[in-house]
This record gives sequence, C-alpha cells and structure tokens, in this order.
Amino acid sequence: DQQVKQNSPSLSVQEGRISILNCDYTNSMFDYFLWYKKYPAEGPTFLISISSIKDKNEDGRFTVFLNKSAKHLSLHIVPSQPGDSAVYFCAALAPTLYNFNKFYFGSGTKLNVKP
Amino acid sequence: DAGVTQSPTHLIKTRGQQVTLRCSPKSGHDTVSWYQQALGQGPQFIFQYYEEEERQRGNFPDRFSGHQFPNYSSELNVNALLLGDSALYLCASSKLGLAGTSEQYFGPGTRLTVT
Repeated sequence: DQQVKQNSPSLSVQEGRISILNCDYTNSMFDYFLWYKKYPAEGPTFLISISSIKDKNEDGRFTVFLNKSAKHLSLHIVPSQPGDSAVYFCAALAPTLYNFNKFYFGSGTKLNVKP
Repeated sequence: DAGVTQSPTHLIKTRGQQVTLRCSPKSGHDTVSWYQQALGQGPQFIFQYYEEEERQRGNFPDRFSGHQFPNYSSELNVNALLLGDSALYLCASSKLGLAGTSEQYFGPGTRLTVT
C-alpha cells in the first residue's frame, strides 16, 4: 500500500529555470513531510521539511508547499542548477509515541538539470 | 565526524543463505532505522531500534531481524534469502525526539544481490 506517491519518475529542466517536483499522499494522519535528495552511491540527504500546520516553507532556492485538503505537496527549486541533478524523494511521518518515527517514502523523481 | 557508516558496501549471496549487514550511527545518535530500497522504488521502512529494542516495524516478514548493541550500532539479519531480497539496504540514525526533523542521517547503503 503506497501511502506516498511520486507519479513523475523523471523531470528535465533547463539551468536557471524552475523545477517543480510533486508528491501526493493518502494518509490523513501524516503531520510532517520531508524532501530528500539522493546522488548515486550515496544515501539520501535531507533537503527541506514542512509541518502540517504550515503551508509553505522556504530555504534558499528550495520551497516546499503543502496543500492538506488535496493531500499534495510540491518542491520548487529556483533557479535550478546542474548540481541539483539527483533523485528526489518525498517522505511523510505520522505522529507516534515517543517519536519512534516510521518514514513513508515515495518512489522518487529523477531530476536532470541541463546546462 | 564519519557520519553513518555501513558495511559491507556490496554483497552477493545465494538463495536460501543468511546475511548480516552492519551499521554504525552518527556520533551522538541513539536510534537506528533500516530501510530496503528496491530498484526504481523509494526506501521501505523495515524496523527501528532504540535502547537495544525494536520499537517500530514495517511490513516485512520475520526473516528480517535486527539487533542494536550498547554502543548504538546495529545489525540487520535476513534469513532464507529470496531473489526478491536483492536491494539497497539503507541505515539511518537519529537522536530520539528529533527523528521527525532534519536529524535523520542516512548511510550510503549496502547493495545486496541474491542469485
């Protein structure tokens, strides 16, 4: 049962333009969302997160938007750079006792930023 | 700080065999989670260890078991290997109470191939 879905396996964007990566979820209990970036032969690295009490969080070139009613979040990268080329995973958390958290990941979107 | 380390990097096993993967968490972290990432998929949560006990478990059979040692390092054991167990196994560490934030760090993973 895939509770977090990334329906675009790949995305190609020109350098300097905006990259928009999308993520949908089905579990209304999720209250915290994260984006991870993964380069080949490396583990995922944290990029940005958002709590369900917010609808936007910004960190430099990266902004995450959350639409709770649509159960949808998106990651915007502006401007996109070739170094942003990687696989991006969306992840979600539901509240648990003592914060023993179980992350639910999407299947990832491979972003290619062309010079 | 070495971050999260995993060993071995790669492993080839035969169906029916048993395998043990190892993880050392980032310094200061006390919680270890294990994930299985099949080709083209996102990481799937296997289980999480804190204070040497399994605290959360994903939808994996009992063939998957683990252990956490007093120094917080952890092992993942898989018995009676199946071809479908071929995947990248990721270890992530965190400090209890902060796992829902950016403070979950992933290791580079162990690539397991079952033939």
